[in-house]
Amino acid sequence: QVQLVQSGAEVRKPGASVKVSCTASGYTFSNYYMHWVRQAPGQGLEWMGIIHPSGDFTSYAQKFQGRLTMTTDTSTSTVYMEVRGLRSEDTAVYYCARTLRSGWLGFFDYWGQGTLVTVSS
Amino acid sequence: QSVLTQPPSASGTPGQRVTISCSGSYSNIGTNTVNWYQQLPGTAPKLLIYSNDQRPSGVPDRFSGSKSGTSPSLAISGLQSEDEADYYCAAWDDSLNGWVFGGGTKLTVL
Repeated sequence: QVQLVQSGAEVRKPGASVKVSCTASGYTFSNYYMHWVRQAPGQGLEWMGIIHPSGDFTSYAQKFQGRLTMTTDTSTSTVYMEVRGLRSEDTAVYYCARTLRSGWLGFFDYWGQGTLVTVSS
Repeated sequence: QSVLTQPPSASGTPGQRVTISCSGSYSNIGTNTVNWYQQLPGTAPKLLIYSNDQRPSGVPDRFSGSKSGTSPSLAISGLQSEDEADYYCAAWDDSLNGWVFGGGTKLTVL
């Protein structure tokens, strides 16, 4: 069965960086794009960006340009998401989610369990 | 402030039918299809409807999606207590070149 398993909760101080992983299993990793979506406490969902499983293509929401990096490790079917220059507003649950296609044809059919990132001094 | 607009709350009694609306602009809903996600308390979102009106395998046919013009909606018939959740609409936005979501609708089963 398809599974996206994320790394555990993190606590960081403002200005620091955090790197969250998402390990895929149960399907052919190279066939699906991976996205990151976050949800601040009590708030809605916010799309952050997309990465092709090869790692050759990434696209980030403008809001995160310059602070966000997504990478992949095809040997372990793992996708990573790193946010730098953390602020208190980055406190959220971060989800990875896959799509078969990029752009409007896609839909998030499987999601990771979420990783809580807390930014606090 | 979410790009897509949903009512913040909806409610119904067991067995009733409820609908949740979603509005946006030409660059997202006006041009592209809409997907709906259900988020039960404390869990990750789950795909409920894709491409406006398609149900993934395993989703009960009590859930249905439609899109008339630029007005997509999610309907839940035969409401059950386990349907209490947050529901989100989503669409690709051609101007932003990314996915946009509604702010979510909290469904309460009275």
